[in-house]
Amino acid sequence: KAGVTQTPRYLIKTRGQQVTLSCSPISGHRSVSWYQQTPGQGLQFLFEYFSETQRNKGNFPGRFSGRQFSNSRSEMNVSTLELGDSALYLCASSPDEGPWYFGPGTRLLVL
Amino acid sequence: DAKTTQPTSMDCAEGRAANLPCNHSTISGNEYVYWYRQIHSQGPQYIIHGLKNNETNEMASLIITEDRKSSTLILPHATLRDTAVYYCIVSFNDYKLSFGAGTTVTVRA
Repeated sequence: KAGVTQTPRYLIKTRGQQVTLSCSPISGHRSVSWYQQTPGQGLQFLFEYFSETQRNKGNFPGRFSGRQFSNSRSEMNVSTLELGDSALYLCASSPDEGPWYFGPGTRLLVL
Repeated sequence: DAKTTQPTSMDCAEGRAANLPCNHSTISGNEYVYWYRQIHSQGPQYIIHGLKNNETNEMASLIITEDRKSSTLILPHATLRDTAVYYCIVSFNDYKLSFGAGTTVTVRA
């Protein structure tokens, strides 16, 4: 089976712009979650979706949003980018009640 | 709000077994113990998980104490490619993983 895929892999934006990251889960997985990883804060949970519904959300400002489509693919959006949003954004999928499998991540640099 | 305690770092000789400890003294009855690892700048890789019985797969073995307050991940024959940060996580279906700082494992030739 193909693993979790994330696009794009690398992205450079400037402050104030917005960005959309995409995640395709492993075939058959209906749960998708997103994480932010920075050197200072480590891996932090952003949100989780199952069947197009957000079931859990981390402690991030409203500039961070996500959605899931009927085919389980997911996107996350960050509006009004700040320098501190520079990070590795990771998507993971799960067959629900099973382990999470992570994608390679999207590395975002905000200038 | 990680619920586990792991050593910050450990070294291991190539070809030897690596035993990674994890304390989770506040684990509740329905929480699983998960192990992941992250090789520099890659996404975390799932290794193994268990509830109360010992588990083994092609990557590693997981030994959970009878009281479930601690566990040990065993990499039977460490290679240089096993150099990574290893995370021990306890979780029950709250749809997320809470990562701590993990253990940086360095396998030396």
